[in-house]
Amino acid sequence: EPEVTQTPSHQVTQMGQEVILRCVPISNHLYFYWYRQILGQKVEFLVSFYNNEISEKSEIFDDQFSVERPDGSNFTLKIRSTKLEDSAMYFCASSDPTANYGYTFGSGTRLTVV
Amino acid sequence: RKEVEQDPGPFNVPEGATVAFNCTYSNSASQSFFWYRQDCRKEPKLLMSVYSSGNEDGRFTAQLNRASQYISLLIRDSKLSDSATYLCVVSFPGNTPLVFGKGTRLSVIA
Repeated sequence: EPEVTQTPSHQVTQMGQEVILRCVPISNHLYFYWYRQILGQKVEFLVSFYNNEISEKSEIFDDQFSVERPDGSNFTLKIRSTKLEDSAMYFCASSDPTANYGYTFGSGTRLTVV
Repeated sequence: RKEVEQDPGPFNVPEGATVAFNCTYSNSASQSFFWYRQDCRKEPKLLMSVYSSGNEDGRFTAQLNRASQYISLLIRDSKLSDSATYLCVVSFPGNTPLVFGKGTRLSVIA
């Protein structure tokens, strides 16, 4: 079964450092997403990406965040200057709009900012 | 506003018990409804979509009441492996992001 893969599985970084979280969506999917989940909290939408541009973003996705699809397979989330409150699980997802329902989540990257 | 509310639990039930979870959503424009399962520190995984007529998948039954903006999940004959957090999720017309509830934690005890 096709999978969304994310790397690394765990990233520890110092406050103020830049991090890049990587995702490889399912190859024939057209929509890509980043969600995050702070420990003990709900899964929250960050950004969606379609046709090489952001299609929607939440209030959380401020100027510190950016996304990129640098080649035909990778989809990255960059946090420019991490804060302690950025510590969370970050989930990438992709979807196939031609299917009834086609959301697939990756296994997540646990980001710890110290 | 797009809010999804769930009883956080935890629900502690013995093996074989029947347990029901409820969920309410605030936005009447919500179009699609799902129950996801999330194990500790893992990604959400789709358990089942919820249809207006109600639907069943083995031991799991989902119901939707659009008038009351209410969704339910019933698990019959609980297994130890059902222990997880159950997330109520809604989406809106178009390819819009999913909106998650905070989840209800279930522990099935031997």
